[in-house]
Amino acid sequence: QVQLQESGPGLVKPSETLSLSCTVSGGSISPFYWTWIRQPPGKGLEWIGYIKYSGSTYYNPSLKSRPSISLDTSKNQFSLGLTSVTAADTAIYYCARYDSTDYLAFDYWGQGTPVTVSS
Amino acid sequence: SYELIQPPSVSVSPGQTASITCSGDKLGDKYVCWYQQKPGQSPVLVIHQDRKRPSGIPERFSGSSSGNTATLTISGTQSMDEADYYCQAWDSSAAFFGGGTKLTVL
Repeated sequence: QVQLQESGPGLVKPSETLSLSCTVSGGSISPFYWTWIRQPPGKGLEWIGYIKYSGSTYYNPSLKSRPSISLDTSKNQFSLGLTSVTAADTAIYYCARYDSTDYLAFDYWGQGTPVTVSS
Repeated sequence: SYELIQPPSVSVSPGQTASITCSGDKLGDKYVCWYQQKPGQSPVLVIHQDRKRPSGIPERFSGSSSGNTATLTISGTQSMDEADYYCQAWDSSAAFFGGGTKLTVL
């Protein structure tokens, strides 16, 4: 059974960089897209971006150039960096797998990790 | 930016049929997925590619899509189906979610 587990600091100061990791177990990195999605308190889901197993990335245009996603296949892990954070970036951050060949959907999700942006 | 519009809330009596809509420009030309999220839990995929159910999802969940609207239908709704439901589609290589619909079973 595929499992995803987020990790990283729960508190980040304004203007600093948010850094999270997601460890994938029970399945292969390829041929999937590895994705970050967030959910502000009491609000809906927002897609942040993905990295393909090939290493190419695509990000939500509304986040400008702030996010970056990287992949470490040797550790079965992918990471999110989000620069210049503000209180608006306070959210639960989920990592998820996008199945681009069969389901064409986010079929596995991590449990989510809460991140608060505050001084 | 692509917008998906869902009703904020839908109410249904136990055993009845609940329908949740998702509207977007030319949505019928795109594949739509539906996710169920219960309080304090991660979203769970309940419908993919407009109408397909992943393994383990009860048959009472079904989906359809045509024109500018996709619909999630829950037949014989049970109290355990009370949750937030989100539609999702892709546009220009970006994923978009609807604002979510809170389904109340009462």
